[in-house]
Amino acid sequence: AQSVTQLDSQVPVFEEAPVELRCNYSSSVSVYLFWYVQYPNQGLQLLLKYLSGSTLVESINGFEAEFNKSQTSFHLRKPSVHISDTAEYFCAVRAGRRALTFGSGTRLQVQP
Amino acid sequence: NAGVTQTPKFQVLKTGQSMTLQCAQDMNHNSMYWYRQDPGMGLRLIYYSASEGTTDKGEVPNGYNVSRLNKREFSLRLESAAPSQTSVYFCASSERGGTGELFFGEGSRLTVL
Repeated sequence: AQSVTQLDSQVPVFEEAPVELRCNYSSSVSVYLFWYVQYPNQGLQLLLKYLSGSTLVESINGFEAEFNKSQTSFHLRKPSVHISDTAEYFCAVRAGRRALTFGSGTRLQVQP
Repeated sequence: NAGVTQTPKFQVLKTGQSMTLQCAQDMNHNSMYWYRQDPGMGLRLIYYSASEGTTDKGEVPNGYNVSRLNKREFSLRLESAAPSQTSVYFCASSERGGTGELFFGEGSRLTVL
């Protein structure tokens, strides 16, 4: 079985401050890991993914995530957030040939 | 370049009524999925279709049926709607045998009174 835990349901942060959204997973086999972002009243969009190779992956808008196999984590970070980053962020895992399993989501609220 | 298209975007039903959510993708993907999104619970898989002609239950299939009409289309049917089925429904597709990366539609908001 595979599961995902997002430890924070809401993260308030001021503009230009750093942020970390935490994600832990459990799986008995090797995994693919994903972060999706959902802006208000929209569908989910892929932010970044870890498939293999380098454990640090980056998105085009400044987010990065690091795969830590020993801690079974895939935390999402950004050194300086913008108002436009306000959204809900979902961590997801795929183990083997199973469909993606999603975490419960973290709502990032960037304040001026 | 439409990607994944869902209809309708909004629907209000009375308890006991039936309805079908439609989904179509134009990316030539083999696999299609239906998820529901509820506050604080993330997305939960209802049904999926790994390829044309096959369907399988996900985490929360009770009260739903699906049809994989052809490679492009995957519909979700509520035979007798219940208030517990009030939710936002997302259709998604992916390449079969790939990484599992999902491409989502914009969602269908369903309210059951």
